[in-house]
Amino acid sequence: QLVESGGGLVKVGGSLRLSCVDSGLTFSNYNMNWIRQAPGQGLEWVSSISSSGSYIHYADSVKGRFTISRDNAKNSLDLQMNNLRVEDTAVYYCARLYSSGPYDWFDPWGQGTLVTVSS
Amino acid sequence: QSVLTQPPSVSGAPGQRVTISCTGTSSNIGAGYDVQWYQQLPGTAPKILIYGNDIRPSGVPDRFSGSKSGTSASLAITGLQAEDEADYYCQSYDSRMRGPYVFGSGTKVTVL
Repeated sequence: QLVESGGGLVKVGGSLRLSCVDSGLTFSNYNMNWIRQAPGQGLEWVSSISSSGSYIHYADSVKGRFTISRDNAKNSLDLQMNNLRVEDTAVYYCARLYSSGPYDWFDPWGQGTLVTVSS
Repeated sequence: QSVLTQPPSVSGAPGQRVTISCTGTSSNIGAGYDVQWYQQLPGTAPKILIYGNDIRPSGVPDRFSGSKSGTSASLAITGLQAEDEADYYCQSYDSRMRGPYVFGSGTKVTVL
């Protein structure tokens, strides 16, 4: 089970740090991701980090402003969000990239944490 | 703007069959990348419905089925039920995106 925290209201240009804790036993085995959903909108993949933390990817929309990190000893995933913009307003989900054979998919997802950026 | 295109909404009466299309390009679905489908019930997080184009995880009812052909994929729901009213998203990979994972624009299924 994944549980996010850290969301809230912040002004344009501000910063926020999201966290996601995995209560399972295999956190360190999996690629982890942040995926967001703006109000009334669809899903947008934001960032991913490999199981060891060695490989990191960002969506163009957040590159240079957001930083993903993980602590496998604490089963935790973080997203440091700087220079926030109004368009970053969304529910942020953490999700595991589950793999089975040649297939992988996002499962499970956390319940989400709402980030609101005001002008 | 989503990389994968879905119809905004589809509807059907209980018991009917509905399909949702997911149209991509030669850099994602057309490149041979697998398609996944997620169901998002109102007020909840998305849940995996189909992976690897047409594989149902355990626990997903067999009235849900997926297919892929060329640059498109489809999700079919047969024997539509009231609890199927939700948003549905396709997801794949894209070789031209800096970040590899892309989602469809989402489809709202309404049970009449």
